[in-house]
Amino acid sequence: GEDVEQSLFLSVREGDSSVINCTYTDSSSTYLYWYKQEPGAGLQLLTYIFSNMDMKQDQRLTVLLNKKDKHLSLRIADTQTGDSAIYFCAEESGSARQLTFGSGTQLTVLP
Amino acid sequence: AAGVIQSPRHLIKEKRETATLKCYPIPRHDTVYWYQQGPGQDPQFLISFYEKMQSDKGSIPDRFSAQQFSDYHSELNMSSLELGDSALYFCASSSPATTGELFFGEGSRLTVL
Repeated sequence: GEDVEQSLFLSVREGDSSVINCTYTDSSSTYLYWYKQEPGAGLQLLTYIFSNMDMKQDQRLTVLLNKKDKHLSLRIADTQTGDSAIYFCAEESGSARQLTFGSGTQLTVLP
Repeated sequence: AAGVIQSPRHLIKEKRETATLKCYPIPRHDTVYWYQQGPGQDPQFLISFYEKMQSDKGSIPDRFSAQQFSDYHSELNMSSLELGDSALYFCASSSPATTGELFFGEGSRLTVL
């Protein structure tokens, strides 16, 4: 999506941390999301953050939000081979909770 | 826990045919959304419904229509299919009571030959 930008590829070694970055443009976004998509599969909601928060932690996942810079990141601790997938960030805009997705980051975890 | 159910999971049609996709939201979710994801693309918002009324419209072609029924399930009707309609169609659902949670189904893969 042109309003939400992500780097296309990221490779990490198993056991390392992964950090996937995203920038968005709609300053009125209420929620920002991270979804995971494995090949041929659906979109799995990983986590989301309310716009008045700057951090949210959920087990191995840490989301950081810099609202001033409109920058969102997802950190995956102790990355495993099962984490290999495409990760989409999305911003919610409009009164009807329409999501605008980034182009997705392909995470490859190397043994 | 129950998830968003979509059917069929796979559908093959020829050009100019029609197709109907169905979506059953998570129980007690009253809002459904349709998204289209082309090959190698990010999902694009098509249309949404809240309490059986259309609530927002995105990049949905005029050849497509959708509705939400009294049991909150939704159907996406696609007519005069074109090769470019080949995509993964996702339905998502949410509830005002669970703000922030927007869950997607596994998607329906439409192939137009």
